[in-house]
Amino acid sequence: DVKVTQSSRYLVKRTGEKVFLECVQDMDHENMFWYRQDPGLGLRLIYFSYDVKMKEKGDIPEGYSVSREKKERFSLILESASTNQTSMYLCASSTAASERVNEQFFGPGTRLTVL
Amino acid sequence: AQKVTQAQTEISVVEKEDVTLDCVYETRDTTYYLFWYKQPPSGELVFLIRRNSFDEQNEISGRYSWNFQKSTSSFNFTITASQVVDSAVYFCALSEGGGGFKTIFGAGTRLFVKA
Repeated sequence: DVKVTQSSRYLVKRTGEKVFLECVQDMDHENMFWYRQDPGLGLRLIYFSYDVKMKEKGDIPEGYSVSREKKERFSLILESASTNQTSMYLCASSTAASERVNEQFFGPGTRLTVL
Repeated sequence: AQKVTQAQTEISVVEKEDVTLDCVYETRDTTYYLFWYKQPPSGELVFLIRRNSFDEQNEISGRYSWNFQKSTSSFNFTITASQVVDSAVYFCALSEGGGGFKTIFGAGTRLFVKA
């Protein structure tokens, strides 16, 4: 069974802390994504990566950074967490194969609360 | 700019009723992909269908059917004889063609199916 796993389902952090959210996929996918999900706003893309060590900004990258040192792992970093980063964070991956282009597989999400 | 609009925030139906979830999109691309994803209470988005812009053929999969109309820029999703297990948030999404990776999600429609 193919999987995208995220390190935590629930996380509570304090303002100013550095926060790491980890995502691992076992499908050998080239592409990986980080989204945040907020009520009424759907999913918004923070960053994505189409190869190891490659990253591209999404629509809302401010306050976030990412790291992709290995193909299967994509990390989202909040350098100094703020209360407006309280949200559900979703990781996804997809293959570059044309027959499944842009079909994304999602992890279960991490609900982050910043106090 | 690309945009996906799901005007229905919440829909409530009684089991066995048919229900249609609306999706309207905007794009200047001639090649693009449309998607529907389901997010059950567990939180993990599940891929349901992908349509490319050159394939306007409607699709039926069991109780699910999709109506893609380029003339009205709509990609509507109908569940026939709804069941309680259909209760979820449903997202419509649009991604660019030509090897692009970005996917734009609508705000989602929350469907409640009551027994």
